[in-house]
Amino acid sequence: DIQMTQSPSSLSASVGDRVTITCRASQTIDYYLHWYQQKAGKAPKLLIYAASTLQSGVPSRFSGSGSGTDFTLTITSLQPEDFATYYCQQSYSTLRTFGQGTKLEIK
Amino acid sequence: VQLVESGGGLVQPGGSLRLSCAPSGFTVNDNYMSWVRQAPGKGLEWVSVIYSGGDTYYADSVKGRFTISRDSSKNTLFLQMNSLRVEDTAVYYCARDRYSYGRCLDQWGQGALVTVSS
Repeated sequence: DIQMTQSPSSLSASVGDRVTITCRASQTIDYYLHWYQQKAGKAPKLLIYAASTLQSGVPSRFSGSGSGTDFTLTITSLQPEDFATYYCQQSYSTLRTFGQGTKLEIK
Repeated sequence: VQLVESGGGLVQPGGSLRLSCAPSGFTVNDNYMSWVRQAPGKGLEWVSVIYSGGDTYYADSVKGRFTISRDSSKNTLFLQMNSLRVEDTAVYYCARDRYSYGRCLDQWGQGALVTVSS
């Protein structure tokens, strides 16, 4: 199975900050990497698909980059509603896998 | 677009349960569909996918115990869970596995809680 490793596991930041979350795959996954946001008690929400394409309706302060094995999710100018847990997920393999998550907390 | 799961509940170890997922706004037969679960306080774990052509795949943790299927007449996705273990306790989400978007999970249900306990 392809292992997905996110870093950091948790992150404290302030409203207005720029933050970056990284995701590394144990083997190349081309661009088959997606990012989700999950708030407590809610279903995950798709933010970015195919490494860098913003899902419809998602604010432009979210962006994704990378290909192969190394990927990043960047949030510019954090808003109060952005404090949540973020997951990466690969779909290169028939056996999809998620990263362990990054919890973004208010400093 | 909306997905509604049902069938969750409390079951004893070794027991069985079947989850259902009924989407509105699209057809299960024409899409890839996945199940994802989340144990209490833990991260997301992909469980299974069924392709539009009918091929199915499973995470190693559930292979041989869980079966994903669909009923086109009811436009419903299922997850049959047998030989349940305490560690299968989780919220189970169904999601559309969007082939044309790089196979991302673009629509999710609200989740169904499965508790395996004696």
